Amino acid sequence: GENVEQHPSTLSVQEGDSAVIKCTYSDSASNYFPWYKQELGKRPQLIIDIRSNVGEKKDQRIAVTLNKTAKHFSLHITETQPEDSAVYFCAAIPGNTPLVFGKGTRLSVIA
Amino acid sequence: KAGVTQTPRYLIKTRGQQVTLSCSPISGHRSVSWYQQTPGQGLQFLFEYFSETQRNKGNFPGRFSGRQFSNSRSEMNVSTLELGDSALYLCASSPGTSGVTGELFFGEGSRLTVL
Repeated sequence: GENVEQHPSTLSVQEGDSAVIKCTYSDSASNYFPWYKQELGKRPQLIIDIRSNVGEKKDQRIAVTLNKTAKHFSLHITETQPEDSAVYFCAAIPGNTPLVFGKGTRLSVIA
Repeated sequence: KAGVTQTPRYLIKTRGQQVTLSCSPISGHRSVSWYQQTPGQGLQFLFEYFSETQRNKGNFPGRFSGRQFSNSRSEMNVSTLELGDSALYLCASSPGTSGVTGELFFGEGSRLTVL
């Protein structure tokens, strides 16, 4: 089955700096890669996703890149703000099967 | 539209007891998935239901079971509770017509503590 590795597990950045979280997946059939943000005590919410026919996708300060050959994808957050502090989960789905999540990255943005 | 609703939000049980958690998906969503969230382990998949049929099951012991009703509401049950079952149980619904093919909409979760 699919296995998703996520790094780093914790990340601290200064406000205004960029943050990068990386994930690798094992199943070459995976074709959908979402990122979820979970603020403390809240539910996970989708912030951006990418499908396997696209290499990069941007939405304001966040972007996701996908390298299918290397089987890795990354979340990039620019101009970080205190409200970006949360746990971020990457996930992959090999076709019509359940989402497999990484173990999460706790991002702390220091003002 | 109302979001995904999970009940109860918090509960405390003792070892050996059993527990039933409920999830009402977003109206019109027919796919419901359950995940167990523990510190350091992320979100681990439990089950996925679509139109009352279990489509997928995660790597959990048989003490964990679930079902989905004709109105898409879902329940999960854990029997013979163990200390390690303490976790946040998250339910998520999806608008996909054939299971999980896109965004998952999560509920607030049911936080289970086993003493």
